[in-house]
Amino acid sequence: NAGVTQTPKFRVLKTGQSMTLLCAQDMNHEYMYWYRQDPGMGLRLIHYSVGEGTTAKGEVPDGYNVSRLKKQNFLLGLESAAPSQTSVYFCASSTGLKETQYFGPGTRLLVL
Amino acid sequence: AQKITQTQPGMFVQEKEAVTLDCTYDTSDQSYGLFWYKQPSSGEMIFLIYQGSYDEQNATEGRYSLNFQKARKSANLVISASQLGDSAMYFCAMREAKVKAAGNKLTFGGGTRVLVKP
Repeated sequence: NAGVTQTPKFRVLKTGQSMTLLCAQDMNHEYMYWYRQDPGMGLRLIHYSVGEGTTAKGEVPDGYNVSRLKKQNFLLGLESAAPSQTSVYFCASSTGLKETQYFGPGTRLLVL
Repeated sequence: AQKITQTQPGMFVQEKEAVTLDCTYDTSDQSYGLFWYKQPSSGEMIFLIYQGSYDEQNATEGRYSLNFQKARKSANLVISASQLGDSAMYFCAMREAKVKAAGNKLTFGGGTRVLVKP
């Protein structure tokens, strides 16, 4: 099992550009999450999903959109990137029954 | 209001000694869960240990133990016999009410950086 994978690992954007981050998990987990981590801080939840076709807002959802068209994939979109979105983005998944969230390796995003 | 507080931004510990990382939390729920994650310099988030609010025994996983004091709302992580590979950021996190629509969301503290000295 690959666990939770994220694509890409690193990306540089110009202000106003758009991009999509892909998260994939092969553990058949129901729940998936997108977090951001800013320097010296803990993780903050952007959006989450409790099942295929469902999404919900987390703590810091503004400027992001998500989709969960397939159970194994959770996409995070930035429609018009801003320098404030420079961060490391983590995807996680869990079964829902057991609460432990398993994290992907992260995507480092720099918005110039 | 901050729900998870880690008051130690950084700590040094001598190799082979034990270290305690502090975590206090705030919730009005009776059912909740507490987690500790490790983030080494490579950046990945590694699950270490979990404590449920109704668990009577303190959780242990190898060299990691969680000192759970419910009345004080604290969930301190104890790492015994520190190793050089324990140098990392450590995050405490809490899951509040377990309702599916709430997604078992985690709230993270700001982290504690641990540096193990040889």
